[in-house]
Amino acid sequence: DADVTQTPRNRITKTGKRIMLECSQTKGHDRMYWYRQDPGLGLRLIYYSFDVKDINKGEISDGYSVSRQAQAKFSLSLESAIPNQTALYFCATSDYGTGGQETQYFGPGTRLLVL
Amino acid sequence: AQSVTQLGSHVSVSEGALVLLRCNYSSSVPPYLFWYVQYPNQGLQLLLKYTTGATLVKGINGFEAEFKKSETSFHLTKPSAHMSDAAEYFCAVSFNAGNNRKLIWGLGTSLAVNP
Repeated sequence: DADVTQTPRNRITKTGKRIMLECSQTKGHDRMYWYRQDPGLGLRLIYYSFDVKDINKGEISDGYSVSRQAQAKFSLSLESAIPNQTALYFCATSDYGTGGQETQYFGPGTRLLVL
Repeated sequence: AQSVTQLGSHVSVSEGALVLLRCNYSSSVPPYLFWYVQYPNQGLQLLLKYTTGATLVKGINGFEAEFKKSETSFHLTKPSAHMSDAAEYFCAVSFNAGNNRKLIWGLGTSLAVNP
């Protein structure tokens, strides 16, 4: 079984709809991340969480919200989807090595299309 | 400000040829350096990382990278390309500068391998 899972894998929605993307991990990591990937723009950080009670905005958090329901679960919501939120979304977890040696582990991604 | 630059958004090589993907960073403090690979329709996975010690780092699938402090570079190489190496490659950097550090990502290089 995959260590980091994302549901759904693909989603088509309409402008104005609220949707939730879910991420679960079995790695036992405290740190979790949500990224979006757009062609030519690389990975951009939306939100990150260092533990259940610590949630932080990333560089492009506008229009998104998150919930850390448990150490293993981190959900991303689009309150009112718009077409420019069409992208590939990745969840990641990381171990916390000393001095910044953390490695991130990625889920398979959710491909979202907003019409 | 700290940043990562990947030179060349698209690189094309022939099967059996040398692969060279370039990554440069800017930082005033010692970096931790990573290369991730994204195969089609998959999430990212770690290829290799440099933290401390030996500056030549070997990763999976025959890839290696060398940290050159004087050139602020961490280029990825493989002596002989295989068709299966076709993927998107991302360089990333983190810095030992407090507990809230995050990975800074390059924009990615798409590697095509021609038969």
